[in-house]
Order: sequence, then structure tokens, then C-alpha cells
Amino acid sequence: EVQLVESGGGLVQPGGSLRLSCATSGFAFRSYWLSWVRQAPGKGLQWVAIIKGDGSQKFYVDSVKGRFTISSDNAKNSLYLQMDSLRVEDTAVYFCAGGLGWTSLYWGQGTLVAVSP
Amino acid sequence: EIVLTQSPGTLSLSPGERAILSCRASQSVTNNFLAWFQHKPGQAPRLLIDDASTRATGIPDRFSGSGSGTDFTLIISSLDPEDSAVYYCQQCAHLPLTFGQGTKVEIK
Repeated sequence: EVQLVESGGGLVQPGGSLRLSCATSGFAFRSYWLSWVRQAPGKGLQWVAIIKGDGSQKFYVDSVKGRFTISSDNAKNSLYLQMDSLRVEDTAVYFCAGGLGWTSLYWGQGTLVAVSP
Repeated sequence: EIVLTQSPGTLSLSPGERAILSCRASQSVTNNFLAWFQHKPGQAPRLLIDDASTRATGIPDRFSGSGSGTDFTLIISSLDPEDSAVYYCQQCAHLPLTFGQGTKVEIK
């Protein structure tokens, strides 16, 4: 059974940092592309970043470049998102997701990040 | 960046009716790498259609996708009450990957 379980969300002040984790099982992590996708309150889905499971390639949406870092640990089958210099507009539920290509077949349930003074 | 525009914003239909959802891209989506997702509140998004027209494993055949280039369509042939959700298209060909704003399907 495929599982993706996010953790690490919480309340943080503007300018602060958080590190999200996504523990996965049930698929060939190294061969997959892993993404972070977020949904701000009352808004739609927004793709944030993607990495090849082996860590060889990674890409970001412009609004998080230089502030967020996506990484993977294929020994632990885990995905991470280091979020620095957080802004109020980063408030969202963050989903991790994975697929053999850039389309995400498998998704986690999400973890809430709230950035507020 | 490819902008995806979905229409209508909301569909309100009765069980058994046919739903037609549209997704228009601001430029051609290479290889028709266009996906459709179903998203219910508090749940993980669910992949319905990949590559514009390929149903994902386990997806009922009442869901079908079509289109190419810049115009794509998701059809739900006979609505079931469990189909109440927001539906998103996503282009997976060009960075940054982008989603449409979503179509909310309500079941009367």
C-alpha cells in the first residue's frame, strides 16, 4: 500500500522557518518525482517545488525561489521542504505528492502551515 | 508560465446528469501532458485523468478526458452524489507546473 504522510506544519511568525517532512512507503522512491503542492485558505492548488527521488534535479515556483529548499533522502524514502523567510502569503495546507513523471499519482493528506504575527 | 483557465466556476447538476468541464491553456501543452484531479475538503487530491485522456487506475469509466493543444475537457457522464468536489486541471509539461483555478461540482 502506498503511503505519504506529511509532518512539521505549525504556526510561525513572518520571517521564521519551518521544515516539512513527508515519509513515504510502497513505491520506488528513487525513480519517482516528488512534489510539494499547497492550498491557501479558500484558494486552489498551487505547485511549489519538485525533485527527482534521487535528488538529481529540483525545480521551484518563482515565488519561493531562494526561500524554500526541497530535498530528499532516498535511504529513508523521505521528502523535505525547508521553508525560510516565511511570509503571511505562505499560509496554506502543504501536500506532498509523487509520480513517475511530473504528474502526481500519489498524495498525502497535507499539513497546515500558518504564518501570522 | 502557462495559465490554465477553467470553466464554469461552478456546476450545479442532479444525479445522473452529465457534467462538462473545460480547461483552456494560454499556450499549447506539449505532448498533451494535462491531468485532471478531484479534490474533496479535508482529503488528498485524487488523480483522475493523465495525458489528457488516460484514466488513472481505479477511476470509474464515467470519467473521461479529451482534448489537445490548448483546449481540454473532462466529462462526467452520469453524476453520482459522491462526485461532489472541486476539479482541477494541471499542465505537467512546462515549468512552473500550473493548475487551473478549479470547477466546483455541486450535486442537487
